[in-house]
Amino acid sequence: DTGVSQDPRHKITKRGQNVTFRCDPISEHNRLYWYRQTLGQGPEFLTYFQNEAQLEKSRLLSDRFSAERPKGSFSTLEIQRTEQGDSAMYLCASSADRLLGYTFGSGTRLTVV
Amino acid sequence: QKEVEQDPGPLSVPEGAIVSLNCTYSNSAFQYFMWYRQYSRKGPELLMYTYSSGNKEDGRFTAQVDKSSKYISLFIRDSQPSDSATYLCAMSQTLGGNTPLVFGKGTRLSVIA
Repeated sequence: DTGVSQDPRHKITKRGQNVTFRCDPISEHNRLYWYRQTLGQGPEFLTYFQNEAQLEKSRLLSDRFSAERPKGSFSTLEIQRTEQGDSAMYLCASSADRLLGYTFGSGTRLTVV
Repeated sequence: QKEVEQDPGPLSVPEGAIVSLNCTYSNSAFQYFMWYRQYSRKGPELLMYTYSSGNKEDGRFTAQVDKSSKYISLFIRDSQPSDSATYLCAMSQTLGGNTPLVFGKGTRLSVIA
């Protein structure tokens, strides 16, 4: 499978717990994006990596959120002290230079109870 | 006012109908316009993209951009039940992802056999 892979597909956690999601982009894509999508809304940008450098972060990305992309390959998104408002689908996407549009993964659906 | 406005629907049409989906936007710096299709519990997949104003056709799908009116459209001819999905418009200022895609809310389409 050469698409964008996300793990886990679903995560249920108790409020206050930490969670970590993983994204494996298409191998030749140097750009990686995290988006969040809530029910009935379009994806909202969270953060963007070019290779291993985190180049842009949205104001939506509070101090409880951190993302990494070591060695410019896979990426992780960690949410600390989860809140019910964090419940959403977390989408990862990748693209290459001069390539229009992204390839999205199937997302990780987070439910905070 | 959000940067990208899209009527969330839902839109229900009989099989074979012509479907028209639309978005308006406020940021005149947008130059690249995309349509994504999202099936339930899946990530968005790129359908079509256009640069600046004009039309683009791909099979049953036609994308139109009118930059003077800040209005974009997607037409689906001979709609099929398999076209039932949420359609998201997305826009970008630059090619290749230097600025993140901005999405509309999505329009939920049902094509009834």
